[in-house]
Amino acid sequence: GNSVTQMEGPVTLSEEAFLTINCTYTATGYPSLFWYVQYPGEGLQLLLKATKADDKGSNKGFEATYRKETTSFHLEKGSVQVSDSAVYFCAFDTGRRALTFGSGTRLQVQP
Amino acid sequence: ETGVTQTPRHLVMGMTNKKSLKCEQHLGHNAMYWYKQSAKKPLELMFVYSLEERVENNSVPSRFSPECPNSSHLFLHLHTLQPEDSALYLCASSQVRTLNTEAFFGQGTRLTVV
Repeated sequence: GNSVTQMEGPVTLSEEAFLTINCTYTATGYPSLFWYVQYPGEGLQLLLKATKADDKGSNKGFEATYRKETTSFHLEKGSVQVSDSAVYFCAFDTGRRALTFGSGTRLQVQP
Repeated sequence: ETGVTQTPRHLVMGMTNKKSLKCEQHLGHNAMYWYKQSAKKPLELMFVYSLEERVENNSVPSRFSPECPNSSHLFLHLHTLQPEDSALYLCASSQVRTLNTEAFFGQGTRLTVV
Protein backbone atom coordinates (compact mmCIF):
# COMPACT_ATOMS: atom_id res chain seq x y z
CA GLY A 1 0.00 0.00 0.00
CA ASN A 2 0.88 3.66 0.03
CA SER A 3 3.50 4.64 2.57
CA VAL A 4 6.29 7.05 3.41
CA THR A 5 9.59 6.02 4.97
CA GLN A 6 11.75 8.58 6.74
CA MET A 7 15.06 8.16 8.48
CA GLU A 8 14.67 7.75 12.19
CA GLY A 9 15.83 10.48 14.48
CA PRO A 10 16.82 12.27 16.39
CA VAL A 11 19.35 13.88 14.10
CA THR A 12 21.77 15.99 16.14
CA LEU A 13 23.95 18.54 14.37
CA SER A 14 26.10 21.49 15.24
CA GLU A 15 25.14 24.91 13.96
CA GLU A 16 26.19 25.51 10.32
CA ALA A 17 26.41 21.78 9.57
CA PHE A 18 24.92 20.26 6.43
CA LEU A 19 21.56 18.53 6.82
CA THR A 20 20.05 15.63 4.92
CA ILE A 21 16.85 13.89 5.96
CA ASN A 22 16.00 10.97 3.71
CA CYS A 23 12.49 10.25 2.52
CA THR A 24 11.21 7.58 0.16
CA TYR A 25 7.66 6.82 -0.79
CA THR A 26 5.55 4.03 -2.18
CA ALA A 27 2.55 5.19 -4.15
CA THR A 28 0.66 4.57 -7.34
CA GLY A 29 0.66 7.20 -10.04
CA TYR A 30 2.43 10.52 -9.70
CA PRO A 31 1.79 12.02 -6.30
CA SER A 32 2.62 15.51 -5.15
CA LEU A 33 5.31 15.55 -2.46
CA PHE A 34 5.58 17.73 0.63
CA TRP A 35 7.80 18.48 3.60
CA TYR A 36 6.10 19.79 6.72
CA VAL A 37 7.80 21.12 9.85
CA GLN A 38 6.49 21.06 13.42
CA TYR A 39 8.08 23.40 15.94
CA PRO A 40 7.69 22.60 19.66
CA GLY A 41 4.12 23.10 20.85
CA GLU A 42 2.83 23.90 17.38
CA GLY A 43 0.91 22.25 14.57
CA LEU A 44 2.44 21.33 11.23
CA GLN A 45 3.47 23.98 8.72
CA LEU A 46 4.17 23.42 5.06
CA LEU A 47 7.90 23.86 4.43
CA LEU A 48 8.10 23.08 0.72
CA LYS A 49 6.51 21.01 -2.01
CA ALA A 50 7.03 19.57 -5.50
CA THR A 51 4.27 18.48 -7.81
CA LYS A 52 6.06 16.64 -10.61
CA ALA A 53 9.23 14.72 -11.35
CA ASP A 54 12.49 16.70 -11.22
CA ASP A 55 10.78 19.67 -9.56
CA LYS A 56 12.78 21.23 -6.75
CA GLY A 57 10.93 22.71 -3.81
CA SER A 58 12.73 25.28 -1.70
CA ASN A 59 12.03 27.53 1.27
CA LYS A 60 14.06 29.08 4.11
CA GLY A 61 17.27 27.54 2.77
CA PHE A 62 15.76 24.03 2.64
CA GLU A 63 15.55 22.14 -0.65
CA ALA A 64 14.15 18.84 -1.87
CA THR A 65 14.03 17.38 -5.38
CA TYR A 66 11.29 15.06 -6.62
CA ARG A 67 13.16 11.96 -7.86
CA LYS A 68 10.72 9.68 -9.62
CA GLU A 69 13.32 7.07 -10.54
CA THR A 70 14.28 6.51 -6.91
CA THR A 71 10.87 7.51 -5.44
CA SER A 72 12.65 9.87 -3.11
CA PHE A 73 12.28 13.41 -1.82
CA HIS A 74 15.25 14.01 0.47
CA LEU A 75 15.36 17.24 2.45
CA GLU A 76 18.62 19.21 2.51
CA LYS A 77 19.97 22.42 3.98
CA GLY A 78 23.49 23.68 3.58
CA SER A 79 23.87 25.35 6.99
CA VAL A 80 21.44 24.65 9.81
CA GLN A 81 20.65 27.02 12.65
CA VAL A 82 19.47 26.41 16.20
CA SER A 83 16.09 27.77 15.14
CA ASP A 84 15.72 24.86 12.69
CA SER A 85 15.32 22.45 15.60
CA ALA A 86 11.94 20.83 15.00
CA VAL A 87 10.29 17.66 13.73
CA TYR A 88 10.21 17.27 9.95
CA PHE A 89 7.54 15.22 8.16
CA CYS A 90 7.64 13.95 4.61
CA ALA A 91 4.22 13.48 3.00
CA PHE A 92 2.52 12.86 -0.29
CA ASP A 93 -0.89 13.19 -1.82
CA THR A 94 -2.42 9.84 -2.61
CA GLY A 95 -5.35 11.29 -4.49
CA ARG A 96 -7.66 10.26 -1.66
CA ARG A 97 -7.92 13.92 -0.73
CA ALA A 98 -5.77 13.42 2.37
CA LEU A 99 -2.02 13.41 2.83
CA THR A 100 -0.03 10.33 3.85
CA PHE A 101 2.70 11.23 6.32
CA GLY A 102 5.93 9.63 7.42
CA SER A 103 6.69 9.13 11.08
CA GLY A 104 8.70 12.34 11.37
CA THR A 105 12.37 13.04 12.02
CA ARG A 106 13.40 15.15 14.99
CA LEU A 107 16.26 17.55 14.29
CA GLN A 108 18.28 19.00 17.17
CA VAL A 109 20.77 21.72 16.31
CA GLN A 110 23.32 22.60 18.97
CA PRO A 111 25.05 25.99 19.17
CA GLU B 1 -8.40 35.56 12.54
CA THR B 2 -6.83 33.67 9.71
CA GLY B 3 -5.76 30.09 9.16
CA VAL B 4 -6.93 27.10 11.17
CA THR B 5 -7.82 27.57 14.84
CA GLN B 6 -8.30 24.78 17.34
CA THR B 7 -9.76 24.98 20.84
CA PRO B 8 -8.97 24.14 23.50
CA ARG B 9 -5.18 23.94 23.26
CA HIS B 10 -5.00 21.59 26.23
CA LEU B 11 -7.61 19.26 27.71
CA VAL B 12 -7.50 16.85 30.62
CA MET B 13 -10.48 14.55 30.97
CA GLY B 14 -11.51 11.50 32.92
CA MET B 15 -12.53 8.29 31.23
CA THR B 16 -16.20 8.89 31.99
CA ASN B 17 -16.29 12.48 30.75
CA LYS B 18 -17.74 13.83 27.53
CA LYS B 19 -15.92 16.66 25.82
CA SER B 20 -15.62 18.18 22.37
CA LEU B 21 -12.73 19.54 20.35
CA LYS B 22 -13.41 22.42 18.01
CA CYS B 23 -11.73 23.45 14.77
CA GLU B 24 -12.45 26.49 12.64
CA GLN B 25 -10.86 27.45 9.33
CA HIS B 26 -10.89 30.90 7.77
CA LEU B 27 -9.30 29.92 4.46
CA GLY B 28 -12.42 29.19 2.42
CA HIS B 29 -11.42 25.54 2.06
CA ASN B 30 -13.89 22.80 1.25
CA ALA B 31 -12.28 19.86 3.07
CA MET B 32 -11.37 19.35 6.72
CA TYR B 33 -9.51 16.58 8.52
CA TRP B 34 -8.81 15.18 11.97
CA TYR B 35 -5.40 13.62 12.62
CA LYS B 36 -4.08 11.94 15.75
CA GLN B 37 -0.42 12.39 16.65
CA SER B 38 0.99 9.99 19.24
CA ALA B 39 4.56 9.79 20.42
CA LYS B 40 6.83 7.82 18.09
CA LYS B 41 4.02 6.94 15.67
CA PRO B 42 3.15 8.33 12.24
CA LEU B 43 0.36 10.83 11.96
CA GLU B 44 -2.89 8.91 11.83
CA LEU B 45 -5.69 10.19 9.64
CA MET B 46 -8.95 9.81 11.55
CA PHE B 47 -11.67 11.51 9.55
CA VAL B 48 -12.07 13.43 6.32
CA TYR B 49 -14.92 15.75 5.44
CA SER B 50 -15.14 17.01 1.90
CA LEU B 51 -17.91 19.46 1.05
CA GLU B 52 -19.36 18.74 4.50
CA GLU B 53 -19.75 15.06 3.74
CA ARG B 54 -17.73 12.49 5.62
CA VAL B 55 -15.75 10.67 2.98
CA GLU B 56 -13.29 8.76 5.10
CA ASN B 57 -13.30 7.09 8.48
CA ASN B 58 -10.18 5.08 9.13
CA SER B 59 -11.53 2.49 11.52
CA VAL B 60 -11.65 4.92 14.37
CA PRO B 61 -13.33 3.68 17.58
CA SER B 62 -16.88 4.88 18.09
CA ARG B 63 -15.87 6.77 21.22
CA PHE B 64 -14.68 9.42 18.73
CA SER B 65 -17.54 11.08 16.88
CA PRO B 66 -16.92 13.83 14.30
CA GLU B 67 -19.33 16.54 13.26
CA CYS B 68 -19.04 19.02 10.41
CA PRO B 69 -21.98 21.45 10.50
CA ASN B 70 -20.55 23.62 7.69
CA SER B 71 -17.42 23.99 5.61
CA SER B 72 -15.72 26.21 8.20
CA HIS B 73 -16.29 24.21 11.38
CA LEU B 74 -15.31 20.73 12.50
CA PHE B 75 -15.85 19.08 15.86
CA LEU B 76 -14.59 15.91 17.47
CA HIS B 77 -16.87 14.65 20.23
CA LEU B 78 -15.20 12.48 22.82
CA HIS B 79 -16.77 10.08 25.29
CA THR B 80 -15.58 7.23 27.49
CA LEU B 81 -12.01 7.56 26.26
CA GLN B 82 -9.10 5.39 27.30
CA PRO B 83 -5.66 6.48 28.54
CA GLU B 84 -4.14 5.35 25.23
CA ASP B 85 -6.23 8.01 23.51
CA SER B 86 -3.98 10.65 25.06
CA ALA B 87 -2.32 12.41 22.12
CA LEU B 88 -2.13 15.61 20.12
CA TYR B 89 -5.20 15.97 17.92
CA LEU B 90 -4.62 18.03 14.82
CA CYS B 91 -7.19 19.59 12.55
CA ALA B 92 -6.36 20.50 8.97
CA SER B 93 -8.10 21.95 5.96
CA SER B 94 -7.47 22.07 2.24
CA GLN B 95 -9.07 23.00 -1.05
CA VAL B 96 -9.95 19.82 -2.87
CA ARG B 97 -9.56 20.33 -6.60
CA THR B 98 -6.47 18.58 -7.88
CA LEU B 99 -3.84 16.18 -6.60
CA ASN B 100 -1.92 19.10 -5.14
CA THR B 101 -3.94 19.13 -1.95
CA GLU B 102 -1.73 21.19 0.34
CA ALA B 103 -3.11 21.04 3.87
CA PHE B 104 -3.06 23.78 6.50
CA PHE B 105 -2.94 22.69 10.13
CA GLY B 106 -4.12 24.10 13.41
CA GLN B 107 -1.89 24.14 16.47
CA GLY B 108 -3.56 21.08 17.89
CA THR B 109 -5.29 20.08 21.10
CA ARG B 110 -3.12 18.23 23.61
CA LEU B 111 -5.48 15.68 25.16
CA THR B 112 -4.68 13.79 28.36
CA VAL B 113 -7.05 11.06 29.51
CA VAL B 114 -6.73 10.19 33.18
